[in-house]
Amino acid sequence: LAKTTQPISMDSYEGQEVNITCSHNNIATNDYITWYQQFPSQGPRFIIQGYKTKVTNEVASLFIPADRKSSTLSLPRVSLSDTAVYYCLVAMDSNYQLIWGAGTKLIIKP
Amino acid sequence: ETGVTQTPRHLVMGMTNKKSLKCEQHLGHNAMYWYKQSAKKPLELMFVYNFKEQTENNSVPSRFSPECPNSSHLFLHLHTLQPEDSALYLCASSHARPDSFGEQYFGPGTRLTVT
Repeated sequence: LAKTTQPISMDSYEGQEVNITCSHNNIATNDYITWYQQFPSQGPRFIIQGYKTKVTNEVASLFIPADRKSSTLSLPRVSLSDTAVYYCLVAMDSNYQLIWGAGTKLIIKP
Repeated sequence: ETGVTQTPRHLVMGMTNKKSLKCEQHLGHNAMYWYKQSAKKPLELMFVYNFKEQTENNSVPSRFSPECPNSSHLFLHLHTLQPEDSALYLCASSHARPDSFGEQYFGPGTRLTVT
């Protein structure tokens, strides 16, 4: 049974780089990995998506090792406004299932 | 602004009421989704529509009835709900399977309280 696992919570400080890892041991060849950010009482917001190696955009980087059994969302130089819940999602190409992680609550301290 | 709107934003209803939630997307997507998010719980996928056809119903009770009249609009009809149905109901859209269906765009949600 496909499953994604993330830490329940993490703390960090303003200006630091934060890395949140998601494990997805049963990922298949054509499955994509996506990360979302959610603030209280709002819908999740798409951050970044990747398939392998490294993807970077203006807000984050996504690192995916060769075996693809995990992925790491990297947020450079976080600020207080990055305090949110971060979800990883594996979209399974074989059966179109959406496997959401339970979310990581990230708290940024001054 | 994500291009996905939901109305109403807040809804309080009694257990004998009938109400509907509305979602509209302006992104040109062909897949739409309903999710339930309860306090301190992960996202629960309820229904999936691809090109107006329902392709997934994740064992959702029949008191929740979805409707997708076209690729831009999605409704969730509610009747005889229970207090445990109180939650944030989120609508999302994406390109239809198999293209980038993991890249979803969410509305702000409807906060539903069942009394």
